[in-house]
Amino acid sequence: RKEVEQDPGPFNVPEGATVAFNCTYSNSASQSFFWYRQDCRKEPKLLMSVYSSGNEDGRFTAQLNRASQYISLLIRDSKLSDSATYLCVVNPWGNQFYFGTGTSLTVIP
Amino acid sequence: GAGVSQSPRYKVAKRGQDVALRCDPISGHVSLFWYQQALGQGPEFLTYFQNEAQLDKSGLPSDRFFAERPEGSVSTLKIQRTQQEDSAVYLCASSFELAFEETQYFGPGTRLLVL
Repeated sequence: RKEVEQDPGPFNVPEGATVAFNCTYSNSASQSFFWYRQDCRKEPKLLMSVYSSGNEDGRFTAQLNRASQYISLLIRDSKLSDSATYLCVVNPWGNQFYFGTGTSLTVIP
Repeated sequence: GAGVSQSPRYKVAKRGQDVALRCDPISGHVSLFWYQQALGQGPEFLTYFQNEAQLDKSGLPSDRFFAERPEGSVSTLKIQRTQQEDSAVYLCASSFELAFEETQYFGPGTRLLVL
């Protein structure tokens, strides 16, 4: 079983829509969680960290559910510029960081 | 300010050739990571340095892969006798220190194609 699993999509949504991605992880002792964004042929960039209490940054909301071992990312009022691949990242211990395969989002005009 | 830089950006190698990929992390960053990203996949961990010490190399796929960071700044990933399955983007990332919540800053990657 993979450490981190994501639905690869693709998700094609109209501008203004709300879209949610989930990611599951296998190690219940995992310490920290992140969402990274990767544009086509570019490097990943941190979108947001995910905290136990949940956190929000503008149109983006991240949630952590330790009991079910998943994290989620909600994007409200989608913009064309949100089109990218969203990578779920889990740190089970020490210096090991596991990336999901990424979920592809295309926002359509 | 300067981010993480990598060179070369693109490398075409013949099967069996040795290659060396360079990473310049952000100045002052203690932690340095190497990842391999195959097409359509997420980055996969290769190795980790804390300053000059290679603390984890469990992700290196074979003994043909070797990484070093002799002075705790620039790092080199070397692949000997390249194979076609080594074709991928090799990403370097650095962070200020190793802490669970630290942001990793990625370089643009080196795209390696082995023919």
